[in-house]
Amino acid sequence: SSELTQDPAVSVALGQTVRITCQGDSLRNYYTSWYQQKPGQAPVLVIYGRNNRPSGIPDRFSDSRSGNTVFLTITGAQAEDEADYYCNSRDSTGDHLLFGGGTKLTVL
Amino acid sequence: QVQLQESGPGLVKPSETLSLTCIVSGYSITTGYYWGWIRQPPGKGLEWIGSIYHSGGTYLNPSLKSRVTMSVDTSKNQFSLKLTSVTDADTAVYYCVRDEPNDAFDVWGQGTMVTASS
Repeated sequence: SSELTQDPAVSVALGQTVRITCQGDSLRNYYTSWYQQKPGQAPVLVIYGRNNRPSGIPDRFSDSRSGNTVFLTITGAQAEDEADYYCNSRDSTGDHLLFGGGTKLTVL
Repeated sequence: QVQLQESGPGLVKPSETLSLTCIVSGYSITTGYYWGWIRQPPGKGLEWIGSIYHSGGTYLNPSLKSRVTMSVDTSKNQFSLKLTSVTDADTAVYYCVRDEPNDAFDVWGQGTMVTASS
């Protein structure tokens, strides 16, 4: 499959830990990056490569993987983490990039 | 600090060609990296359109490849997108991005809304 599948919506209580999943066969072989997008704003890269965070991204964001699934984990979610999250990787051919459908995270 | 700024018409008639340019500041595009375009229809998710190297080499989304042309102008430190035969389905916010070696888009423009309508 050349698709990346994400749950449409996830919620978490303030201060708790949440995992957002991205599933796809190609994820076994290629890096995954994660983006946070708040309403009316451009996406922001939060994780790339092997669990790397760009400068300025809090260390409560991390990723891990198991088989064909990659997990974005937010440890101690804050109100400002409420946003849409997208995963990105290569397709099964390795020649093209694609995004997951996105997950809307609500912080309760 | 690297900054990207999209420019181009906000309205394109159906069947015509959408043309956008991304001006890069704070970094020379000839230094390295790929440079790309991503779009987002209203209320929907992100779609990668394609990426181009400063030498002109490209890799494109297969679903759009037949309608897409990308180019680089190193003298102006900018790169461009042309999408032909637009339809309502091409209405979206278009972002230009820096495509770094780990397959991540680490710098984004603010985005420009393009509407395909007569």
